[in-house]
Amino acid sequence: NAGVTQTPKFQVLKTGQSMTLQCAQDMNHEYMSWYRQDPGMGLRLIHYSVGAGITDQGEVPNGYNVSRSTTEDFPLRLLSAAPSQTSVYFCASSYSVSGSGNTIYFGEGSWLTVV
Amino acid sequence: SQQGEEDPQALSIQEGENATMNCSYKTSINNLQWYRQNSGRGLVHLILIRSNEREKHSGRLRVTLDTSKKSSSLLITASRAADTASYFCATDAGYGGSQGNLIFGKGTKLSVKP
Repeated sequence: NAGVTQTPKFQVLKTGQSMTLQCAQDMNHEYMSWYRQDPGMGLRLIHYSVGAGITDQGEVPNGYNVSRSTTEDFPLRLLSAAPSQTSVYFCASSYSVSGSGNTIYFGEGSWLTVV
Repeated sequence: SQQGEEDPQALSIQEGENATMNCSYKTSINNLQWYRQNSGRGLVHLILIRSNEREKHSGRLRVTLDTSKKSSSLLITASRAADTASYFCATDAGYGGSQGNLIFGKGTKLSVKP
């Protein structure tokens, strides 16, 4: 059982370049999300999805795009990378968004540096 | 904006001692969760306490919740060097209409010296 798998683990981008962080889960979870973690900060929600075909913005969505064409995959796209997007990105999933008490399962993180 | 705020930001103790971390939050919640993050790794769920619960145990972990004070504490008893990690509280406050979103605090960095 792989859980939540993120790729790549490390990436260096030049300002203005675009790229996609991949995220896949094999637990048949309805809910998936992307967070970013910056030094001395907690995790901040970028985008989330409550099911295939449904996405919504989180706390810090600017500069990022997502889609959810399948239950398993939730890629995060940086359209034109900026140094402010240098961060560690975490993909997460949980079984359901309904009700309370959802345990979130996290991927191992993607370290992104924009120069 | 941050919902949960952990205190202290950093904590250094000797193996065998107890470690207590606190979390305060701002708005009413459905539940509060604690997560652990080892250096360079993803977050791992530790324990969840619902808003109608006051205390919960899991192994060496004890979590309390005081909704009147909007605060929670995580106690790790008989700490081990392997407990060295950052610990985050997270609240499920229905952000953006979804009850699945968690809002994380900035974390407490725990160092347990052998």
